[in-house]
Amino acid sequence: EAAVTQSPRSKVAVTGGKVTLSCHQTNNHDYMYWYRQDTGHGLRLIHYSYVADSTEKGDIPDGYKASRPSQENFSLILELASLSQTAVYFCASSDAGGGQLYFGEGSKLTVL
Amino acid sequence: GQQVKQSSPSLTVQEGGISILNCDYENDMFDYFAWYKKYPDNSPTLLISVRSNVDKREDGRLTVFLNKSGKHFSLHITASQPEDTAVYLCAAGENQGGSAKLIFGEGTKLTVSS
Repeated sequence: EAAVTQSPRSKVAVTGGKVTLSCHQTNNHDYMYWYRQDTGHGLRLIHYSYVADSTEKGDIPDGYKASRPSQENFSLILELASLSQTAVYFCASSDAGGGQLYFGEGSKLTVL
Repeated sequence: GQQVKQSSPSLTVQEGGISILNCDYENDMFDYFAWYKKYPDNSPTLLISVRSNVDKREDGRLTVFLNKSGKHFSLHITASQPEDTAVYLCAAGENQGGSAKLIFGEGTKLTVSS
């Protein structure tokens, strides 16, 4: 069964609204990541975490917050969603820094 | 600026040929290099990876070559098959004590024509 699960898998949000994307992993991994996928940009790192109750900024953190309440759960929060945040978001986990990432199925977010 | 860069957005190869995918990076501290494969509407999956202490790693039809002085690594796929058609993402990262992150390139769309 899938070891990294994301919810929701698809969401339509209105501009200015709040969006929360959730990620749950059963890999017992310390590291968790949020990436966004845009055509022509590959995967860009938004936030990551290597321990519960702590998060780190990635390369494109503006407009996003992250929360890691437990080892298994990592959320991405858009307080004021904007059109430019329409994208597919991937969560991933890893058992070591710089090691293999195990991705969730992705969450397609459309902001109207 | 882009820390990890794939200069070719697309590549077309004949079935049975060799596919060569290239990746350049900027950070001297990167010590882990990987290639991921992604089908449309699917999540990326790891194909092959190397640490900085080796120059080459083979796994079946896949070979990764690492050129640290040139800050460049590549993926060679021999006997390319139509099912190899996908987007290939290179990635590089480093350990920073307890913190680490993997940076991806923009991706190269490989099409293997039969």
